[in-house]
Amino acid sequence: AAGVIQSPRHLIKEKRETATLKCYPIPRHDTVYWYQQGPGQDPQFLISFYEKMQSDKGSIPDRFSAQQFSDYHSELNMSSLELGDSALYFCASSLRVNTGELFFGEGSRLTVL
Amino acid sequence: TQLLEQSPQFLSIQEGENLTVYCNSSSVFSSLQWYRQEPGEGPVLLVTVVTGGEVKKLKRLTFQFGDARKDSSLHITAAQPGDTGLYLCAGLYNFNKFYFGSGTKLNVKP
Repeated sequence: AAGVIQSPRHLIKEKRETATLKCYPIPRHDTVYWYQQGPGQDPQFLISFYEKMQSDKGSIPDRFSAQQFSDYHSELNMSSLELGDSALYFCASSLRVNTGELFFGEGSRLTVL
Repeated sequence: TQLLEQSPQFLSIQEGENLTVYCNSSSVFSSLQWYRQEPGEGPVLLVTVVTGGEVKKLKRLTFQFGDARKDSSLHITAAQPGDTGLYLCAGLYNFNKFYFGSGTKLNVKP
């Protein structure tokens, strides 16, 4: 069965650079979530989209933005990168009418030098 | 503050022992999920519980949702080294917000 696809899997950037992460949800899933997970921490919610509209916002810095496109894939754009942005970024998708199960991608590891 | 409190944070046991992980909140959740995460990988869904008092079994894992839908537990019988990982509970609140617990790092020694 198709899973959530994230790209790139690994990304190395310098401070103040920009980065874009992509997420392709499970087919027919209408909701996408972005999470940031630092070393030894639980996933922190950044932002979510339902049917291409932003549905909820968490602890996403103003330097970050995201959108969901007509084909339901989503992109997380990060600008003016800081050392503290180094983390695993997970995308998860779900079918909203379900009981609320999230299916996660394998994550994108961002390292800011 | 975490909406979902997990305990214990760390657990190191010998192969064959039993263990229980708890996920507690003062809030009522529409449903609750348990995930297992290995280093560098995304969390993998283990189970979803929806009904208060519900008990689900997955081989040696038993999951229970509290009667009031505010808490849950994960019990592992005869733990094996392959059970090692980070266990996360997550709750769906108001049918549209997910909250994760702080996680329990389990290490099962052979």
